[in-house]
Formats: sequence, C-alpha cells, structure tokens
Amino acid sequence: AQKITQTQPGMFVQEKEAVTLDCTYDTSDPSYGLFWYKQPSSGEMIFLIYQGSYDQQNATEGRYSLNFQKARKSANLVISASQLGDSAMYFCAMREGGNSGYALNFGKGTSLLVTP
Amino acid sequence: ETGVTQTPRHLVMGMTNKKSLKCEQHLGHNAMYWYKQSAKKPLELMFVYNFKEQTENNSVPSRFSPECPNSSHLFLHLHTLQPEDSALYLCASSQEWGFNQPQHFGDGTRLSIL
Repeated sequence: AQKITQTQPGMFVQEKEAVTLDCTYDTSDPSYGLFWYKQPSSGEMIFLIYQGSYDQQNATEGRYSLNFQKARKSANLVISASQLGDSAMYFCAMREGGNSGYALNFGKGTSLLVTP
Repeated sequence: ETGVTQTPRHLVMGMTNKKSLKCEQHLGHNAMYWYKQSAKKPLELMFVYNFKEQTENNSVPSRFSPECPNSSHLFLHLHTLQPEDSALYLCASSQEWGFNQPQHFGDGTRLSIL
C-alpha cells in the first residue's frame, strides 16, 4: 500500500503568491518523521523542511511552512511569496521509527510552475 | 563544495560493460544510501550503509554491487545491466539512521543503458 500520497501532479502559481502542496500519509507507527524535498530539473534532491510526529508546532523554514494535521494524517507544504526559482518537483516523504527499515518513503511528487 | 558529491553526472554504457558510480559526503555523516529514480515512479531505496556496514538490501539484483570503504565514500558497481536499469541514481547521507534525521542527497548520476 502506498504510504505517501500526493494528489496534485502539477500546480501553477503566480510569482509572489502563496501555494499549498498536498501530502497525506499512512502509518500505524506512533513515531515518524515527515520531510519535504525539492528537485529542480538538474536532479539534486534538496531537503526543505522536517516535521516530527511528536512535534506540537508546525515546522517553518524561511518561506516554507508545514501544515501538520496529525488526526487527518496530512502534511501539506506551504510556500509563501513564490519565486521563479521555486519551479521544480516537490516530494513529500516519510520515515517510520519502528522496525520498518531505513527507507524514506516518497510520494510521486508535484510539479510546481511559478509564472511571472 | 556541496555536501554530497556524485560522479559521474551522466553515464552511457552498453549492457556488457562494467562501470562504477561514486559518492562522497563531506558532512561527517554515518549513514549512506543509494536510491533509484525511474520516470513516473517514486524513489526506490536500494542499499543502506550505517557505519560502513550494509544494513539493508532492498531486493536489488546482483548486477548492482555496493561498496562502502569508509563512512565518507560509497560506490555502486554496475555489471551486465539491462535497459530497464536506465534511471537517475541518487546517493544520500544522514547523521544517523534515526527517523528524525533528514537525508541529504547528491546531484545524481543519470544512467542510460544502450
């Protein structure tokens, strides 16, 4: 079963606007970490933000914030004041804390295009 | 210098060739990973090394052979690959293997099998 679901294959946003990228996850492990990565066309996977399952507050890193709704099992990424350089693929990922191995489980990604 | 460096960036090889992918991390991390990214599929974990010891092999065919001589270097030796092995191969590292440790990735090697 898919552990990470990203339902938006592609999104458009105008420069300087905010955009929300959706991510839902599936786990029965009480301990887990949620991550967002950005992948430009060059290929590098760039770590953006982390949210732990026990964290009481939503994570923020500069223009990135994570809207963590634990009961709904969602971890949406909000990018404020979009810039042209934000155009890229965005991946949501989860790592479980139990005996499920070392893998980061990735979603299929959302392609974001920022327009002038 | 970037934290995780992969060479080469691009590789084209025939099915009978032998080649190696190299990954080096300058972050002082103890865990290193190989991932495969194929078109229209989520990233797939291939191998994990923790303190130079292989801790996970995700049912990867034997034509892929990893090597981790020390905590900073990771290799993926390739032999007799198939066309379906064409993909972006990403190396990553993390401080430790815990679930709250972000993995930092290199730029990847784009591999094409003729």
